[in-house]
Amino acid sequence: EAQVTQNPRYLITVTGKKLTVTCSQNMNHEYMSWYRQDPGLGLRQIYYSMNVEVTDKGDVPEGYKVSRKEKRNFPLILESPSPNQTSLYFCASSLSGWGRAAEAFFGQGTRLTVV
Amino acid sequence: RKEVEQDPGPFNVPEGATVAFNCTYSNSASQSFFWYRQDCRKEPKLLMSVYSSGNEDGRFTAQLNRASQYISLLIRDSKLSDSATYLCVVNRGFGNEKLTFGTGTRLTIIP
Repeated sequence: EAQVTQNPRYLITVTGKKLTVTCSQNMNHEYMSWYRQDPGLGLRQIYYSMNVEVTDKGDVPEGYKVSRKEKRNFPLILESPSPNQTSLYFCASSLSGWGRAAEAFFGQGTRLTVV
Repeated sequence: RKEVEQDPGPFNVPEGATVAFNCTYSNSASQSFFWYRQDCRKEPKLLMSVYSSGNEDGRFTAQLNRASQYISLLIRDSKLSDSATYLCVVNRGFGNEKLTFGTGTRLTIIP
């Protein structure tokens, strides 16, 4: 089954404690993204990756890191989480559309609370 | 002005009715348009792409007006299972694969 898998689904952590949210896709997609979703603000892109070893900042990258060592995996790293990073996070993947946006497939989401 | 604007609703509509949503976008160079559906606390899923000539998928019809920079979604004979938030999604411009999401329109179908 084609899917994007995120882990964990729920996470409560304390300020400053490094954490990683994993994302894996089995569709051989080149393009992967991380979004956060907050009430009234919609989905905002944090980082994206066009392919292995190619990553770039999205709209709200501060406080986050990513890596793309393999095509299927795109982990999101919070080196020192703060309460304003409490949010619902989604990983998404899509085929590279050669300049045209293609359908994005989303993971089930990770609800992060930083206290 | 937001890049993608939607009426947040909520729209409370009786079962069987027809409901329409509009969405406006600010980037005239955008070339890819989508409607996504998001159920409460779940991930967004593609409902349909929106093509220049308009397109239909069962009870759903999407239209694009490039001159006025708006997109519409029409749902006919609404079902209880149509209750969800509908997200208007637009790419950032010609040759740009990045997507901008609207904040969504919340729809509740009432029995």
